[in-house]
Amino acid sequence: AAGVIQSPRHLIKEKRETATLKCYPIPRHDTVYWYQQGPGQDPQFLISFYEKMQSDKGSIPDRFSAQQFSDYHSELNMSSLELGDSALYFCASSHRDRVMNTEAFFGQGTRLTVV
Amino acid sequence: KQEVTQIPAALSVPEGENLVLNCSFTDSAIYNLQWFRQDPGKGLTSLLLIQSSQREQTSGRLNASLDKSSGRSTLYIAASQPGDSATYLCALLDPIGANNLFFGTGTRLTVIP
Repeated sequence: AAGVIQSPRHLIKEKRETATLKCYPIPRHDTVYWYQQGPGQDPQFLISFYEKMQSDKGSIPDRFSAQQFSDYHSELNMSSLELGDSALYFCASSHRDRVMNTEAFFGQGTRLTVV
Repeated sequence: KQEVTQIPAALSVPEGENLVLNCSFTDSAIYNLQWFRQDPGKGLTSLLLIQSSQREQTSGRLNASLDKSSGRSTLYIAASQPGDSATYLCALLDPIGANNLFFGTGTRLTVIP
């Protein structure tokens, strides 16, 4: 079965550079979530989209932006990178047919290292 | 704001033991609760989803229960195996953050051969 695809899997950037992370949700899923997970921490919610519109916003820095495109894939753009941005970035998708039955599926993540 | 806590933070058991992982949440008005498994540096694998109207869900050696009134969920793992070693996270979807999963702090499980 198709899963959530994230690219790239690994990314190394220098401070103050820009990075773009991509997420391809499971086909027919209409909701995408982005999470940041630092070492030894639980995933922290950044932002989510439903039907290509931003639906919820968490602890996403102003230096970051994201969008969901017409084909439902999403991109997380990160500018002026800082050392503290080094983390695993996860994308998840779900289908909100019946919200109580909404099950989120996660991608394998992008490991971003800022040097 | 919903707060989700998992105790213990780490657990070591000998192979073959049955074990229970706990997840507590502060607001009982939830849509559903999901249990995930995460291997080091890897993605999150969904194990079980319990809808708010359900009391438990089973999958193989795993059984998850939900008691909304007390704000608790448990994940029971029967006959533990070394391959079960991972971090287990619970996450819930509630009406306020319907497009956001609130994650617990996780329990790191080690099953000793």
